[in-house]
Amino acid sequence: GAVVSQHPSRVICKSGTSVKIECRSLDFQATTMFWYRQFPKQSLMLMATSNEGSKATYEQGVEKDKFLINHASLTLSTLTVTSAHPEDSSFYICSARDGGLDTGELFFGEGSRLTVL
Amino acid sequence: GQNIDQPTEMTATEGAIVQINCTYQTSGFNGLFWYQQHAGEAPTFLSYNVLDGLEEKGRFSSFLSRSKGYSYLLLKELQMKDSASYLCAVFDSNYQLIWGAGTKLIIKP
Repeated sequence: GAVVSQHPSRVICKSGTSVKIECRSLDFQATTMFWYRQFPKQSLMLMATSNEGSKATYEQGVEKDKFLINHASLTLSTLTVTSAHPEDSSFYICSARDGGLDTGELFFGEGSRLTVL
Repeated sequence: GQNIDQPTEMTATEGAIVQINCTYQTSGFNGLFWYQQHAGEAPTFLSYNVLDGLEEKGRFSSFLSRSKGYSYLLLKELQMKDSASYLCAVFDSNYQLIWGAGTKLIIKP
Protein backbone atom coordinates (compact mmCIF):
# COMPACT_ATOMS: atom_id res chain seq x y z
CA GLY A 1 0.00 0.00 0.00
CA ALA A 2 0.90 3.65 -0.14
CA VAL A 3 3.50 4.86 2.33
CA VAL A 4 3.68 8.16 4.13
CA SER A 5 6.87 8.98 5.96
CA GLN A 6 6.98 11.52 8.75
CA HIS A 7 10.10 12.93 10.32
CA PRO A 8 11.26 13.38 13.03
CA SER A 9 9.44 10.80 15.11
CA ARG A 10 10.45 12.48 18.35
CA VAL A 11 11.72 15.95 19.06
CA ILE A 12 12.50 17.79 22.26
CA CYS A 13 13.03 21.51 22.11
CA LYS A 14 13.32 24.52 24.37
CA SER A 15 10.47 26.94 24.80
CA GLY A 16 10.59 29.71 22.23
CA THR A 17 12.30 27.73 19.49
CA SER A 18 10.74 26.53 16.24
CA VAL A 19 10.36 22.95 15.11
CA LYS A 20 9.76 21.65 11.60
CA ILE A 21 8.03 18.35 10.89
CA GLU A 22 8.13 16.80 7.44
CA CYS A 23 5.56 14.57 5.82
CA ARG A 24 6.37 12.76 2.59
CA SER A 25 4.31 10.50 0.37
CA LEU A 26 6.84 7.98 -0.85
CA ASP A 27 5.13 6.19 -3.70
CA PHE A 28 2.22 8.35 -4.71
CA GLN A 29 1.37 11.96 -5.34
CA ALA A 30 -0.63 13.64 -2.64
CA THR A 31 -2.36 16.79 -3.75
CA THR A 32 -3.90 17.03 -0.30
CA MET A 33 -2.33 16.29 3.05
CA PHE A 34 -3.85 16.66 6.47
CA TRP A 35 -2.22 17.62 9.74
CA TYR A 36 -3.63 16.35 13.02
CA ARG A 37 -2.79 16.86 16.65
CA GLN A 38 -3.58 14.31 19.30
CA PHE A 39 -3.39 14.83 23.03
CA PRO A 40 -3.12 11.83 25.35
CA LYS A 41 -6.25 9.69 25.50
CA GLN A 42 -8.02 11.91 23.00
CA SER A 43 -8.97 11.46 19.38
CA LEU A 44 -7.33 13.07 16.40
CA MET A 45 -7.97 16.76 15.98
CA LEU A 46 -7.66 18.12 12.45
CA MET A 47 -5.48 21.19 12.45
CA ALA A 48 -5.31 22.03 8.77
CA THR A 49 -5.68 20.77 5.25
CA SER A 50 -2.63 21.30 3.09
CA ASN A 51 -3.08 21.70 -0.65
CA GLU A 52 -0.15 21.53 -3.03
CA GLY A 53 0.73 24.92 -4.42
CA SER A 54 -1.77 26.88 -2.37
CA LYS A 55 -2.34 28.10 1.15
CA ALA A 56 -3.42 25.66 3.80
CA THR A 57 -6.93 25.70 5.17
CA TYR A 58 -6.88 25.91 8.96
CA GLU A 59 -9.53 24.64 11.31
CA GLN A 60 -11.22 27.03 13.67
CA GLY A 61 -9.10 27.80 16.69
CA VAL A 62 -5.80 26.83 15.07
CA GLU A 63 -3.37 29.74 14.78
CA LYS A 64 -2.02 29.85 11.25
CA ASP A 65 0.87 32.11 12.25
CA LYS A 66 1.96 29.64 14.88
CA PHE A 67 1.53 26.47 12.85
CA LEU A 68 3.03 27.20 9.46
CA ILE A 69 2.20 24.70 6.76
CA ASN A 70 3.94 24.48 3.43
CA HIS A 71 3.01 22.05 0.66
CA ALA A 72 5.51 22.94 -2.02
CA SER A 73 5.44 19.68 -3.94
CA LEU A 74 3.12 16.76 -4.56
CA THR A 75 5.08 14.58 -2.17
CA LEU A 76 6.08 16.89 0.66
CA SER A 77 4.25 18.95 3.24
CA THR A 78 5.87 20.55 6.27
CA LEU A 79 4.47 21.78 9.56
CA THR A 80 6.52 24.32 11.49
CA VAL A 81 5.60 25.01 15.09
CA THR A 82 6.91 28.51 15.66
CA SER A 83 7.94 29.82 19.08
CA ALA A 84 6.90 26.56 20.67
CA HIS A 85 5.64 26.51 24.24
CA PRO A 86 5.03 23.61 26.64
CA GLU A 87 1.32 23.59 25.80
CA ASP A 88 2.27 22.75 22.21
CA SER A 89 3.67 19.44 23.39
CA SER A 90 1.60 16.83 21.59
CA PHE A 91 1.56 14.04 19.04
CA TYR A 92 1.42 15.48 15.53
CA ILE A 93 0.31 13.21 12.69
CA CYS A 94 0.11 13.83 8.98
CA SER A 95 -1.95 11.92 6.47
CA ALA A 96 -2.40 11.95 2.75
CA ARG A 97 -4.93 10.70 0.29
CA ASP A 98 -3.87 8.82 -2.80
CA GLY A 99 -5.94 10.42 -5.54
CA GLY A 100 -5.38 7.37 -7.70
CA LEU A 101 -7.43 5.18 -5.39
CA ASP A 102 -11.21 5.23 -5.23
CA THR A 103 -11.41 4.13 -1.61
CA GLY A 104 -10.71 7.56 -0.24
CA GLU A 105 -8.41 5.85 2.24
CA LEU A 106 -6.11 8.07 4.22
CA PHE A 107 -2.53 6.96 4.73
CA PHE A 108 -0.93 8.14 7.92
CA GLY A 109 2.62 9.04 8.75
CA GLU A 110 4.21 7.52 11.82
CA GLY A 111 3.56 10.62 13.88
CA SER A 112 5.90 13.08 15.58
CA ARG A 113 5.95 13.45 19.33
CA LEU A 114 6.90 16.99 20.28
CA THR A 115 8.00 17.82 23.80
CA VAL A 116 8.61 21.46 24.61
CA LEU A 117 10.60 22.08 27.76
CA GLY B 1 -23.70 19.97 14.17
CA GLN B 2 -21.74 16.97 13.11
CA ASN B 3 -21.41 14.17 15.60
CA ILE B 4 -19.98 10.69 15.81
CA ASP B 5 -20.68 8.53 18.85
CA GLN B 6 -18.89 5.39 19.90
CA PRO B 7 -18.40 3.82 23.31
CA THR B 8 -15.43 5.12 25.27
CA GLU B 9 -14.16 1.76 26.41
CA MET B 10 -14.94 -1.92 26.02
CA THR B 11 -13.49 -5.06 27.56
CA ALA B 12 -13.45 -8.50 25.99
CA THR B 13 -11.78 -11.86 26.51
CA GLU B 14 -9.06 -13.35 24.35
CA GLY B 15 -10.56 -15.66 21.75
CA ALA B 16 -14.01 -14.08 21.97
CA ILE B 17 -15.91 -11.76 19.62
CA VAL B 18 -16.55 -8.07 20.19
CA GLN B 19 -18.67 -5.55 18.31
CA ILE B 20 -17.86 -1.84 18.46
CA ASN B 21 -20.72 0.40 17.42
CA CYS B 22 -20.59 3.81 15.81
CA THR B 23 -23.49 6.16 15.11
CA TYR B 24 -23.09 9.31 13.11
CA GLN B 25 -24.94 12.49 12.27
CA THR B 26 -23.14 14.41 9.56
CA SER B 27 -23.91 16.87 6.81
CA GLY B 28 -23.84 14.39 3.97
CA PHE B 29 -22.10 11.06 3.77
CA ASN B 30 -19.33 9.86 1.50
CA GLY B 31 -18.07 6.84 3.36
CA LEU B 32 -17.15 5.55 6.79
CA PHE B 33 -13.76 4.40 7.98
CA TRP B 34 -12.53 2.30 10.84
CA TYR B 35 -8.96 2.78 12.03
CA GLN B 36 -6.97 0.99 14.70
CA GLN B 37 -4.58 2.96 16.85
CA HIS B 38 -2.15 1.55 19.36
CA ALA B 39 -1.00 3.88 22.09
CA GLY B 40 1.69 6.26 20.88
CA GLU B 41 1.34 5.22 17.26
CA ALA B 42 -0.42 6.60 14.21
CA PRO B 43 -3.73 5.05 13.15
CA THR B 44 -3.77 2.16 10.71
CA PHE B 45 -6.54 1.61 8.21
CA LEU B 46 -8.96 -1.24 8.83
CA SER B 47 -11.97 -0.70 6.57
CA TYR B 48 -13.93 1.65 4.39
CA ASN B 49 -17.69 1.29 3.82
CA VAL B 50 -19.65 3.44 1.42
CA LEU B 51 -22.50 1.06 0.62
CA ASP B 52 -24.85 -0.70 3.03
CA GLY B 53 -23.92 -4.14 4.16
CA LEU B 54 -21.19 -6.19 5.70
CA GLU B 55 -17.59 -6.29 4.49
CA GLU B 56 -15.36 -9.01 5.84
CA LYS B 57 -11.60 -8.92 6.01
CA GLY B 58 -10.13 -11.82 7.88
CA ARG B 59 -10.92 -11.52 11.57
CA PHE B 60 -12.36 -8.04 11.13
CA SER B 61 -15.73 -7.15 9.58
CA SER B 62 -17.41 -3.81 9.19
CA PHE B 63 -21.10 -3.13 8.70
CA LEU B 64 -22.87 -0.02 7.48
CA SER B 65 -26.49 1.12 7.45
CA ARG B 66 -26.74 4.56 5.89
CA SER B 67 -30.45 4.92 6.63
CA LYS B 68 -29.77 4.41 10.33
CA GLY B 69 -26.51 6.36 10.44
CA TYR B 70 -24.93 3.31 12.00
CA SER B 71 -21.87 1.16 11.63
CA TYR B 72 -20.15 -1.52 13.62
CA LEU B 73 -16.74 -3.13 13.62
CA LEU B 74 -16.74 -6.81 14.48
CA LEU B 75 -13.57 -8.44 15.74
CA LYS B 76 -13.44 -12.22 15.95
CA GLU B 77 -11.00 -14.59 17.64
CA LEU B 78 -9.63 -11.75 19.70
CA GLN B 79 -5.93 -11.66 20.35
CA MET B 80 -4.05 -9.69 22.96
CA LYS B 81 -2.52 -7.55 20.23
CA ASP B 82 -6.03 -6.32 19.36
CA SER B 83 -5.92 -4.19 22.50
CA ALA B 84 -6.01 -0.70 21.00
CA SER B 85 -8.27 2.23 20.30
CA TYR B 86 -10.67 1.90 17.38
CA LEU B 87 -11.60 5.09 15.62
CA CYS B 88 -14.73 5.58 13.54
CA ALA B 89 -14.57 8.40 10.98
CA VAL B 90 -17.00 9.67 8.35
CA PHE B 91 -16.50 11.65 5.16
CA ASP B 92 -19.12 14.37 5.04
CA SER B 93 -20.52 15.98 1.89
CA ASN B 94 -17.34 18.06 1.48
CA TYR B 95 -15.12 15.02 1.97
CA GLN B 96 -14.05 16.40 5.31
CA LEU B 97 -13.23 13.57 7.66
CA ILE B 98 -15.15 13.73 10.93
CA TRP B 99 -13.58 11.62 13.68
CA GLY B 100 -15.16 9.86 16.60
CA ALA B 101 -13.39 9.99 19.94
CA GLY B 102 -12.39 6.35 19.65
CA THR B 103 -13.20 3.21 21.61
CA LYS B 104 -10.50 1.78 23.80
CA LEU B 105 -10.65 -2.00 23.61
CA ILE B 106 -9.12 -3.94 26.47
CA ILE B 107 -8.48 -7.64 25.89
CA LYS B 108 -8.16 -9.87 28.96
CA PRO B 109 -6.62 -13.35 28.95
